[in-house]
Amino acid sequence: NAGVTQTPKFRVLKTGQSMTLLCAQDMNHEYMYWYRQDPGMGLRLIHYSVGEGTTAKGEVPDGYNVSRLKKQNFLLGLESAAPSQTSVYFCASSYEGSHQPQHFGDGTRLSIL
Amino acid sequence: GQNIDQPTEMTATEGAIVQINCTYQTSGFNGLFWYQQHAGEAPTFLSYNVLDGLEEKGRFSSFLSRSKGYSYLLLKELQMKDSASYLCAPLDSNYQLIWGAGTKLIIKP
Repeated sequence: NAGVTQTPKFRVLKTGQSMTLLCAQDMNHEYMYWYRQDPGMGLRLIHYSVGEGTTAKGEVPDGYNVSRLKKQNFLLGLESAAPSQTSVYFCASSYEGSHQPQHFGDGTRLSIL
Repeated sequence: GQNIDQPTEMTATEGAIVQINCTYQTSGFNGLFWYQQHAGEAPTFLSYNVLDGLEEKGRFSSFLSRSKGYSYLLLKELQMKDSASYLCAPLDSNYQLIWGAGTKLIIKP
């Protein structure tokens, strides 16, 4: 049982490049989330999904897009990377969105030069 | 606005007890989570409180007072592996988790 798997684990991009981060979960969870974590700050929600085919904006959605074409996968896209997007990105999933705990992937460390 | 307040860093001795406090202000409230995060790793779930009082789970206990907007995580019989950051995260009225910056706990032998 892999849980939540994120790929890639590390990536270095140049300003203006695009890329997609992949998150896959095998727990049949309805809800999926993308966060970024920066030093000295709490996790900040970028986008989330409450089910297949649905997405919604979180606290810091600008510069990112997401898609949830399949229940088990949640993709995070950076169309034109900027140095301010250098961060650690975590994907999480939960059975539903209230008192159920979120399960996190190992994170993607992204540097934008 | 929404705000979470936790100490930035705490130090404790192996075998001792430590209490990590969290005060919060959120738009509505639907419970509060505590997560543990070791350096360079993902957060992992520790506890969830929705009613006032103390929830005990082995060496870890979590307390909630909704009227005071206050929670604490109590760690007993500290071990070196407990060195980590501890994240307080209340659920707001939209069932969104509002994350604190976390408390870095350093355990000394």
